[in-house]
Amino acid sequence: DAGITQSPRHKVTETGTPVTLRCHQTENHRYMYWYRQDPGHGLRLIHYSYGVKDTDKGEVSDGYSVSRSKTEDFLLTLESATSSQTSVYFCAISREGSGSRETQYFGPGTRLLVL
Amino acid sequence: AQSVAQPEDQVNVAEGNPLTVKCTYSVSGNPYLFWYVQYPNRGLQFLLKYITGDNLVKGSYGFEAEFNKSQTSFHLKKPSALVSDSALYFCAVRGPTSGTYKYIFGTGTRLKVLA
Repeated sequence: DAGITQSPRHKVTETGTPVTLRCHQTENHRYMYWYRQDPGHGLRLIHYSYGVKDTDKGEVSDGYSVSRSKTEDFLLTLESATSSQTSVYFCAISREGSGSRETQYFGPGTRLLVL
Repeated sequence: AQSVAQPEDQVNVAEGNPLTVKCTYSVSGNPYLFWYVQYPNRGLQFLLKYITGDNLVKGSYGFEAEFNKSQTSFHLKKPSALVSDSALYFCAVRGPTSGTYKYIFGTGTRLKVLA
């Protein structure tokens, strides 16, 4: 599982409040990702990072921001949570390399409920 | 832009029968294609991938996938299904742009293997 942890694992919050989710990895991978998983939509990329302070938007980035000040940590912030952001959030890393080495590893997920 | 489609929300198959989970893709150039499996309340786990070479790729748990460039497909197969194969399966694509490890996932197909 490439040593990926997510915190918190579950969170209930109210509309309009800020929320920060944390992803931590222990293997020093350059690429880190935040996805959300929703029924009927599968897994959608929110933001990803390719190094400290280097981030880019994914398919569904509106309402989300990210930061990566250390290689091992990738934070996802919902500036003002809305009910449409109720979802399961997965962090992932990508093991780079040609051929057999490349793959993604996923964290256990964070279940977020916005009331 | 790269994309993948999984045309079936659910596939039912009897235990012992062969199974196929379909995936088609759209990407400029040669694709990198992946299959992942998700068991209940877990993150995604890597099954197999196609980068280049043989069109039939073998992966974990007895799964294999057939890459068909003319049909832009990468269907997941297993000769004999097990009840324990019941899970959610995701196809993913990465464009071949050098240095960009950005993955797009399909909407997922739920596989139900009936005893």
